[in-house]
Amino acid sequence: EVQLVESGGGLVQPGGSLRLSCAASGFTFSSYWMSWVRQAPGKGLEWVANIKQDGSEKYYVDSVKGRFTISRDNAKNSLYLQMNSLRAEDTAVYYCARHLGYSYGPWGQGTLVTVSS
Amino acid sequence: DIVMTQTPLSSPVTLGQPASISCRSSQSLVHSDGNTYLSWLQQRPGQPPRLLIYKISNRFSGVPDRFSGSGAGTDFTLKISRVEAEDVGVYYCMQATQFPWTFGQGTKVEIK
Repeated sequence: EVQLVESGGGLVQPGGSLRLSCAASGFTFSSYWMSWVRQAPGKGLEWVANIKQDGSEKYYVDSVKGRFTISRDNAKNSLYLQMNSLRAEDTAVYYCARHLGYSYGPWGQGTLVTVSS
Repeated sequence: DIVMTQTPLSSPVTLGQPASISCRSSQSLVHSDGNTYLSWLQQRPGQPPRLLIYKISNRFSGVPDRFSGSGAGTDFTLKISRVEAEDVGVYYCMQATQFPWTFGQGTKVEIK
């Protein structure tokens, strides 16, 4: 069964840092682009970042450029999101998702990041 | 970025009756490879999104045949032929034709 499990979320003060992880199983992780997508409380979906199979290409939404870093470890079947200089507007559930070329699937259960003092 | 606009934003439906959601893109979703990368996602309450339909009308693995997609160019529709209780949730259209991939604002389907 294809599965994605996120971890690392929590409560952090503005300006703080968090590192999210996503453990993948049930498929050949190294063969797929991967993404982070977030959903603010009660809001819609927003793509955050994605990374090529070998990590050689990375892209970010403008609002997180210079603050967030996406990475992966294919030997560990894991995806990461290092989030620095966090702001209140970064508060959201963060999902990791596999690229299918035409959409995302599956999605993990998500991990909640709350930025508040 | 391509803007995706859904209507309605809320759709109260009677169990067993059909439901329809529209999605319009700010520009054509026809890719240079000839495909149209428009998909539909379902998000049940408290759950992550789940892929239902891809490339306009293809049902993803395990999706019931009461869900169907149609459309072309910039105008697309998701139809549920007979709404069941488990269909309650928010439905998103999404385009993967042009980077960055973008989502509609979501349509909430609820039972009357």
